[in-house]
Amino acid sequence: GQQVQQSPASLVLQEGENAELQCNFSTSLNSMQWFYQRPGGSLVSLFYNPSGTKHSGRLTSTTVIKERRSSLHISSSQTTDSGTYLCALERTSNNRIFFGDGTQLVVKP
Amino acid sequence: EAAVTQSPRNKVAVTGGKVTLSCNQTNNHNNMYWYRQDTGHGLRLIHYSYGAGSTEKGDIPDGYKASRPSQENFSLILELATPSQTSVYFCASGDWGASYEQYFGPGTRLTVL
Repeated sequence: GQQVQQSPASLVLQEGENAELQCNFSTSLNSMQWFYQRPGGSLVSLFYNPSGTKHSGRLTSTTVIKERRSSLHISSSQTTDSGTYLCALERTSNNRIFFGDGTQLVVKP
Repeated sequence: EAAVTQSPRNKVAVTGGKVTLSCNQTNNHNNMYWYRQDTGHGLRLIHYSYGAGSTEKGDIPDGYKASRPSQENFSLILELATPSQTSVYFCASGDWGASYEQYFGPGTRLTVL
């Protein structure tokens, strides 16, 4: 089965609204990483967050290991936030990396 | 700053032809990875390497070979390309230290006709 599940698969917001993206995993982990990807673009690391909460500007990442979930919160969304957000799990047992299918975010002006 | 480069950036190949995708990293990372990404999906691991001379199968290795001749270079080889291998391919490097993060190249868009 899939190791990492992201939700929602897609999300449409009006500029200024907040977004909460979820990543749930079915295995124990060493690390969790969140990436941003523009259409046709490469992946840009947003957070490396194996546990706890981290902030970067309008973005907040929270990982709760015992609940096997990580979230990415975007506050006061902007049109430039549009793109795909991917979470990646590094699994404890063999240090392999597994990606979710991503959340496609569209922020309308 | 971490740097991963890929070549070519775009490639059109014919069915049955041989394709080699190259990746170079200047991070001095031990681990390197090849992924493919298809529309609407995340990344799937094809092959990875723990260091020069090593290659390991990922989740979808069939139809692909990999080569890691040096710490800096990691190649993905399609001996007999098929249309189902049309995709965007990403190379990444990473290493275990205080934290484990992966750094990605810009991607190669491969079209097999």
